[in-house]
Amino acid sequence: GQNIDQPTEMTATEGAIVQINCTYQTSGFNGLFWYQQHAGEAPTFLSYNVLDGLEEKGRFSSFLSRSKGYSYLLLKELQMKDSASYLCAVRSYVDSNYQLIWGAGTKLIIKP
Amino acid sequence: ETGVTQTPRHLVMGMTNKKSLKCEQHLGHNAMYWYKQSAKKPLELMFVYNFKEQTENNSVPSRFSPECPNSSHLFLHLHTLQPEDSALYLCASSQLTGAPNYGYTFGSGTRLTVV
Repeated sequence: GQNIDQPTEMTATEGAIVQINCTYQTSGFNGLFWYQQHAGEAPTFLSYNVLDGLEEKGRFSSFLSRSKGYSYLLLKELQMKDSASYLCAVRSYVDSNYQLIWGAGTKLIIKP
Repeated sequence: ETGVTQTPRHLVMGMTNKKSLKCEQHLGHNAMYWYKQSAKKPLELMFVYNFKEQTENNSVPSRFSPECPNSSHLFLHLHTLQPEDSALYLCASSQLTGAPNYGYTFGSGTRLTVV
């Protein structure tokens, strides 16, 4: 079956670094997305990885290992506004169709 | 107005009511989606429209009825809902279907409570 796992909740301190992990078991892997969703707001696109390695975008970086079925989102210099849910989603190409399989999200709480 | 706009933001309805959710995008996208988001659960894809034509219906109960009159507007008509249908309903759009590399643009959702 298709499955994505990520921690339900994490807590970190302002100014610190946090790593949010995502593991997946899917067929026809064709890319992995990270989205940020503040409470009561729309999910917003953060990153897309399709090849192994690290993609850096300012304070946020996303890593992918296809052989391990593993990704992480790294947030540096944490700010209070980073308190949000972070959604991992895998694009799968099966039966000539792309589909997105979503994780349940990780709620990140930033403390002063 | 830009982006994806959903109305209403909040909706409380009885199980015998009929209501509609509205989604509008001004991004020139050709694909639109309805998702259901329940607490601590993954996003569930409900319907996909590409150039106004429904291309996917993920075994959604008939009490949910989508309508896409044009590429900019998407509706979700609701009738005789159940309490377990209470959730956040998200609309999204993209230039093309198939989860493009640049991701979807989501609306802020309608928080639906069925009483």
